[in-house]
Amino acid sequence: GDSVTQMEGPVTLSEEAFLTINCTYTATGYPSLFWYVQYPGEGLQLLLKATKADDKGSNKGFEATYRKETTSFHLEKGSVQVSDSAVYFCALTNQGGSEKLVFGKGTKLTVNP
Amino acid sequence: KAGVTQTPRYLIKTRGQQVTLSCSPISGHRSVSWYQQTPGQGLQFLFEYFSETQRNKGNFPGRFSGRQFSNSRSEMNVSTLELGDSALYLCASSFNIGAGANVLTFGAGSRLTVL
Repeated sequence: GDSVTQMEGPVTLSEEAFLTINCTYTATGYPSLFWYVQYPGEGLQLLLKATKADDKGSNKGFEATYRKETTSFHLEKGSVQVSDSAVYFCALTNQGGSEKLVFGKGTKLTVNP
Repeated sequence: KAGVTQTPRYLIKTRGQQVTLSCSPISGHRSVSWYQQTPGQGLQFLFEYFSETQRNKGNFPGRFSGRQFSNSRSEMNVSTLELGDSALYLCASSFNIGAGANVLTFGAGSRLTVL
């Protein structure tokens, strides 16, 4: 079945550092790929998405490019802020007519001032 | 515009009891999905409903059930609770305008503790 693997955390960075969170997937066909973020005590929020190969999703300084040749969707941000501290989930959907999301295990990011 | 509303936010039950969780989607959204989040298993898909029909179901025992009403509100029920059912239960809704293009909006979740 479909699966998502993302780098184990936790990740601790200083403010203004560069962030990369690796995400790879296994899926048949052409899945859509997502990054969701969860702040403490809250539900999930969509951060960005890409629906086809070579698409780049971007939002709030975060970017990720859908790489079909490497089955990857790595999340990057050039300069993190304390407010970016959260848990980040990579996910895919791959069922026509269904919105079922398959999630990675999540990566906890802590940004120190 | 109101978001996805889940009630109750927190609840404590004992083993063997049953629980019903409620989800009110964003106005106009017709698709509702449920997920279980635990530290060990992460986020796992429970069910998906569209226009009162269950369209997809995850790999959970029959103790987990759900339904959707004509106003798109949804409930999920867990019977004969076990300690392992302690989790954050998340509901999400969307317009469902086409496969793979939809953005799910999640509620804040219902945190269930089973003692």
